[in-house]
Amino acid sequence: NAGVTQTPKFQVLKTGQSMTLQCAQDMNHEYMSWYRQDPGMGLRLIHYSVGAGITDQGEVPNGYNVSRSTTEDFPLRLLSAAPSQTSVYFCASSSDRDRGTEAFFGQGTRLTVV
Amino acid sequence: QKEVEQDPGPLSVPEGAIVSLNCTYSNSAFQYFMWYRQYSRKGPELLMYTYSSGNKEDGRFTAQVDKSSKYISLFIRDSQPSDSATYLCAMSPFTGNQFYFGTGTSLTVIP
Repeated sequence: NAGVTQTPKFQVLKTGQSMTLQCAQDMNHEYMSWYRQDPGMGLRLIHYSVGAGITDQGEVPNGYNVSRSTTEDFPLRLLSAAPSQTSVYFCASSSDRDRGTEAFFGQGTRLTVV
Repeated sequence: QKEVEQDPGPLSVPEGAIVSLNCTYSNSAFQYFMWYRQYSRKGPELLMYTYSSGNKEDGRFTAQVDKSSKYISLFIRDSQPSDSATYLCAMSPFTGNQFYFGTGTSLTVIP
């Protein structure tokens, strides 16, 4: 049982480059979210989705784009990478079927922007 | 002011000690309260959840929620070296998504 799978695990980007962080879940969860985790800041919500075709902004959405064309996948796009986007990114999924209170997290993507 | 405040520690205790971890929050709409455990270089994993006020016990772990004071706690009894991790509190006004996390408290249990 894979759960939530994130790729890549590590990435180094140059300022101005774009890239897509991949996230896939095999639990048929309707809710998916992206967080970034920075020292002293905790986990901050970037974007979230309540179902295929529906996305919304979280606390820190600037510089990121998302789409949800299927239930399983929720990619996060960095449009023009900046050093301030150096962080660890976590994708999470959850479902009302499980009370909706347990978010299952991926292993994270460590991104460095130079 | 952040919606959820958590003392980052670090906290270091001897094996067998009772550990108390706390969070405060400002949003009175929060109804679901969770504690996640995160080992180094791993994603967070749910440890306990509580709905509204009250206590919940699971083995060596007890979660308490005091909505009147906007204060939640996690107690770990008979702490073990394997409990060494970062503990994150999380809250949500409703089920599904939009969890608001504390910054996490780093705990080390010394054998």
